[in-house]
Amino acid sequence: GQQVMQIPQYQHVQEGEDFTTYCNSSTTLSNIQWYKQRPGGHPVFLIQLVKSGEVKKQKRLTFQFGEAKKNSSLHITATQTTDVGTYFCAALTGTASKLTFGTGTRLQVTL
Amino acid sequence: EPEVTQTPSHQVTQMGQEVILRCVPISNHLYFYWYRQILGQKVEFLVSFYNNEISEKSEIFDDQFSVERPDGSNFTLKIRSTKLEDSAMYFCASNEWTGPGELFFGEGSRLTVL
Repeated sequence: GQQVMQIPQYQHVQEGEDFTTYCNSSTTLSNIQWYKQRPGGHPVFLIQLVKSGEVKKQKRLTFQFGEAKKNSSLHITATQTTDVGTYFCAALTGTASKLTFGTGTRLQVTL
Repeated sequence: EPEVTQTPSHQVTQMGQEVILRCVPISNHLYFYWYRQILGQKVEFLVSFYNNEISEKSEIFDDQFSVERPDGSNFTLKIRSTKLEDSAMYFCASNEWTGPGELFFGEGSRLTVL
């Protein structure tokens, strides 16, 4: 089946540093969603991007959808310990009812 | 705020036993899903369900798995004869419509198969 890959798998930053995770697909995506999963928790929706080249911001988080709609990124400015968790991108693959999650990037933030 | 609820939070079972995991989706939602997550790995799609039938299922969702909406509120996942490799966190999710749209996840049911 279609894979949605994310890099890096893991990143450890000092509080205040920036963080970026990248999501890549071999095929064109109709849209991309981003979720955050805190340790021991469940995925929580962050945002959805639909348009080619779209950029959306939520406070310190910036989300981008590539021009070719095959990749996306999530950038966190000045990380805080509350940003700790795994960030997943997710995309519709196959029919409209199958949301496939990426491999995830685990973020660790230390003081 | 409405939420998806799942029971049990943790179930331990012997290999070969049947388990039923239960979910109550958000009341006005029409689309229901089961995902699983093996410890430390990604969230894997199992099945989507709409209008009392399966919309799509993954290759993981073989004959050992079934889903049901026995009444107007519950949505269940049954594993007929559990295997060791079924040990995982199982998440139920729902949304108002398919296609683009936020998925609301429950807190999960941890299944341990011994």
